[in-house]
Amino acid sequence: GAGVSQSPSNKVTEKGKDVELRCDPISGHTALYWYRQSLGQGLEFLIYFQGNSAPDKSGLPSDRFSAERTGGSVSTLTIQRTQQEDSAVYLCASSSSTGFYEQYFGPGTRLTVT
Amino acid sequence: GENVEQHPSTLSVQEGDSAVIKCTYSDSASNYFPWYKQELGKRPQLIIDIRSNVGEKKDQRIAVTLNKTAKHFSLHITETQPEDSAVYFCAAQNQGGKLIFGQGTELSVKP
Repeated sequence: GAGVSQSPSNKVTEKGKDVELRCDPISGHTALYWYRQSLGQGLEFLIYFQGNSAPDKSGLPSDRFSAERTGGSVSTLTIQRTQQEDSAVYLCASSSSTGFYEQYFGPGTRLTVT
Repeated sequence: GENVEQHPSTLSVQEGDSAVIKCTYSDSASNYFPWYKQELGKRPQLIIDIRSNVGEKKDQRIAVTLNKTAKHFSLHITETQPEDSAVYFCAAQNQGGKLIFGQGTELSVKP
């Protein structure tokens, strides 16, 4: 079946503009995660959603970052007033549930803020 | 806060040799420890995982060991091959579901 998909694959934006990144998880997966990966760096946890529970937002770096998950499926990560330090690859992952379940990653969105 | 330390950051071995990557974690409530492999320009993919009620798990050339007392776990790759060259990430997850990754190890296997 289809894996996790993300759009756009690449996004170039000017400093100060808002951007929206989209993630389509694997059908039926109740858990959805967002990570940020800067060039040559590790995976930085941002936020995760599990079913109808309140999301864990503890990894969001500032109040310019927010995320929604509508209908328990598609998720959108929004970055307001983008800064150059926001440039990174944003990865989305989904899993059957939280706990001992493999996370399947999407291909990522490469964000460049000029 | 939760933290996962991973060492070394880079590792170069000759084909056929073994490679060992080590991680320590800070959250004693962590109970699931996956390892991901990320090839250049590609997404991370799970290669092996271990749960806190198990001390060791093996899958062909790959094995993972866990020492919960020391909050320490390791990845062992035997008989390395050039296609094993990639960045490897360890991670620790608690029952709340939050997965914290280490900083990654760039493994280079020289033919």
